[in-house]
Amino acid sequence: AQSVTQPDIHITVSEGASLELRCNYSYGATPYLFWYVQSPGQGLQLLLKYFSGDTLVQGIKGFEAEFKRSQSSFNLRKPSVHWSDAAEYFCAVGFSGSARQLTFGSGTQLTVLP
Amino acid sequence: DTEVTQTPKHLVMGMTNKKSLKCEQHMGHRAMYWYKQKAKKPPELMFVYSYEKLSINESVPSRFSPECPNSSLLNLHLHALQPEDSALYLCASSQTGLETQYFGPGTRLLVL
Repeated sequence: AQSVTQPDIHITVSEGASLELRCNYSYGATPYLFWYVQSPGQGLQLLLKYFSGDTLVQGIKGFEAEFKRSQSSFNLRKPSVHWSDAAEYFCAVGFSGSARQLTFGSGTQLTVLP
Repeated sequence: DTEVTQTPKHLVMGMTNKKSLKCEQHMGHRAMYWYKQKAKKPPELMFVYSYEKLSINESVPSRFSPECPNSSLLNLHLHALQPEDSALYLCASSQTGLETQYFGPGTRLLVL
């Protein structure tokens, strides 16, 4: 069965430091990959997505993610974190055999220290 | 414009009440979704509508009743809920099949 893993439940970084959030998936073919961010009590906002093509994708708010097929990973990065980036981050994967369904990772809570 | 709107923002209801959640999008999307999200957990898919027809029901109890009156509107009718149904209810939409889903801000539901 398909699965998505976000190994880090909680990450704390200082403002201005770099950030990498990990996401791994288990599936036989190339999935559709997404990163969403959720502030407390809010809906999910799409940061970026990968369907095909260039494996390094740019998103909003200065985020980027790289698809690595050999590692079944789609890690999210930001070179310099801002206090407003504190939120919950979800990796989500869509699989071609289950159209219209996303499988979400368990989420990573990001805390930003001043 | 990638906006999905949801009303109300907050809802408190007793276990004998009947209430409805509303979701609207004007992006021309033909697939719409209801998710339930408990605190500190990822969203869980409840229902999927495709071209105004229910295509997926993830074994949701019958006290939740979805309705898609037209391609822009999605309702979730609630009746005889339990306290454990208290959660954030999220609506999402996408163009047709496996494309990007855009989420609304959610309705925070408390069942007393």
